Amino acid sequence: GAVVSQHPSRVICKSGTSVKIECRSLDFQATTMFWYRQFPKQSLMLMATSNEGSKATYEQGVEKDKFLINHASLTLSTLTVTSAHPEDSSFYICSAKTTGNQPQHFGDGTRLSIL
Amino acid sequence: GESVGLHLPTLSVQEGDNSIINCAYSNSASDYFIWYKQESGKGPQFIIDIRSNMDKRQGQRVTVLLNKTVKHLSLQIAATQPGDSAVYFCAENSDNFNKFYFGSGTKLNVKP
Repeated sequence: GAVVSQHPSRVICKSGTSVKIECRSLDFQATTMFWYRQFPKQSLMLMATSNEGSKATYEQGVEKDKFLINHASLTLSTLTVTSAHPEDSSFYICSAKTTGNQPQHFGDGTRLSIL
Repeated sequence: GESVGLHLPTLSVQEGDNSIINCAYSNSASDYFIWYKQESGKGPQFIIDIRSNMDKRQGQRVTVLLNKTVKHLSLQIAATQPGDSAVYFCAENSDNFNKFYFGSGTKLNVKP
């Protein structure tokens, strides 16, 4: 149980393109979803937290107009990297959890490469 | 708050030995902790969790120890196997389970 699917697994696109990443909880209702960014050989950096049906809460230093997050249902959250540039290239990982004192479960990440 | 590592420390162990991976957390108000295993190119995988009202919890081949006095968490892996080779992260809960912050991680290399 507690499977989180993230799609696509890899994206390569030109600078200036907007890229959408989907995160789905397959067998549970994800009241809260999280988006992380991870650079090589580094830890996961929390970008934002989203609760179903409400606006995402962004961490300090994360541009909300750059990284658009939508959590429209209990099984789907999307992250859109708008007008992506090479410095946005990274490994983006989502996670999801149900309400209360429960662990979050992760997708397998999206490798984003901006040329 | 969030602690981010600039590089990953590495622990090398011989297959069959026990491994101990340590983590220092930052928020004294955190009351829920999780250990994750991350293999190359994949998302973190849940290993074991512990709540702050406990100081030890055991799973299959793994034990987590929590020392709230010094804000320290450890993961012990018994009879380490090559399949245990990965990066291990601790995560602390904050803000009533609405945020999880990750430690800097430790890369475990298991030599056959």
